Amino acid sequence: GDSVTQMEGPVTLSEEAFLTINCTYTATGYPSLFWYVQYPGEGLQLLLKATKADDKGSNKGFEATYRKETTSFHLEKGSVQVSDSAVYFCALSPASGGSYIPTFGRGTSLIVHP
Amino acid sequence: DADVTQTPRNRITKTGKRIMLECSQTKGHDRMYWYRQDPGLGLRLIYYSFDVKDINKGEISDGYSVSRQAQAKFSLSLESAIPNQTALYFCATSGQGRNYGYTFGSGTRLTVV
Repeated sequence: GDSVTQMEGPVTLSEEAFLTINCTYTATGYPSLFWYVQYPGEGLQLLLKATKADDKGSNKGFEATYRKETTSFHLEKGSVQVSDSAVYFCALSPASGGSYIPTFGRGTSLIVHP
Repeated sequence: DADVTQTPRNRITKTGKRIMLECSQTKGHDRMYWYRQDPGLGLRLIYYSFDVKDINKGEISDGYSVSRQAQAKFSLSLESAIPNQTALYFCATSGQGRNYGYTFGSGTRLTVV
């Protein structure tokens, strides 16, 4: 079945550092790929998405590129802020099947220090 | 108002009690979902509904039931709560198709003592 693997956290960075959170997936065909962010005490929010190979999703300074050849969708940001501290979830929605129920990764906690 | 509203936000209940968690959405979507979040385990799907007459079990439905009262309302019940149902519960809604992301509620933190 489909699966999503994220790097273990927590990831701890200083403010203005470069961020990469790795995400790889296993799925048939060309799924849609998503990153969600969960701030403390809140629900998940859609951060960005990419729906076909080589697409780049971007939002709030975050970017991720859909890499079919490496089955990856790594999240990056050039300069993190304390306010980016949150848990980040990678997810895929299958290419076929009708239900399109997404598969989520286990989440990666990001802690940014001033 | 939030697109997806969950009530209550926090609840402490005793073992064996029946409890209902409520969810309503203003997105106008047909699809609604209930998830459970536990530390280190990520999100696990409990039940989902693709329209008012459609209810489907997710990967961890045992001990839970749901009711889809209207397009906008989807409630989750624990008929006889047990301590290992202590968790954070999320309701979500989405459009149809693989390119739609989910809109989540703010969650209900449930503690069973």
